Amino acid sequence: ELKVEQNPLFLSMQEGKNYTIYCNYSTTSDRLYWYRQDPGKSLESLFVLLSNGAVKQEGRLMASLDTKARLSTLHITAAVHDLSATYFCAVGLTGEYGNKLVFGAGTILRVKS
Amino acid sequence: DAGITQSPRHKVTETGTPVTLRCHQTENHRYMYWYRQDPGHGLRLIHYSYGVKDTDKGEVSDGYSVSRSKTEDFLLTLESATSSQTSVYFCAISAFRASGGVAQYFGPGTRLLVL
Repeated sequence: ELKVEQNPLFLSMQEGKNYTIYCNYSTTSDRLYWYRQDPGKSLESLFVLLSNGAVKQEGRLMASLDTKARLSTLHITAAVHDLSATYFCAVGLTGEYGNKLVFGAGTILRVKS
Repeated sequence: DAGITQSPRHKVTETGTPVTLRCHQTENHRYMYWYRQDPGHGLRLIHYSYGVKDTDKGEVSDGYSVSRSKTEDFLLTLESATSSQTSVYFCAISAFRASGGVAQYFGPGTRLLVL
């Protein structure tokens, strides 16, 4: 059974600081997804990582994937208040009938000004 | 938003009653999914569909059934609702991203409270 673990589960940080969210998973996969969710809202797709060594960046967020270590990271650079949200990683299991996702529990990020 | 709507958006029901949630998409996507979201668990897959009348179970399918008689509609039914099914339910579709790769895109969610 695939398990996906995120840490930390809660992160409070000051504006301008850097931090990293970690996503570990237990079974081989080369598809890793990051989503953002604002309170009471749906999930927004941030990054799709499809191969070992993949790195994607958008604004102050950068995601990477190490399939050998079964680890993905979401790095936050110079945090701003607007980044406050819950961030989920999800591992893709590709089968004959589509791509199923297994989610981590989520990391609640609060950026304090 | 990938053209996904869910109805109802909020529902309060009583234990033992049947409940049907509807997911509607307008862009002819083949793959559709139902997830539930609970604190501390992230999202968990209930059922998914890979075409009209083609469905399969996810990791938390007990107590739920689905149907897909048309490409655009994917229905989730709680045959006899229980308090443990109080949750937020999200529908999703698979689609290509403009920046590359395929991702799942989520509907606005349905908040279900079973009393």
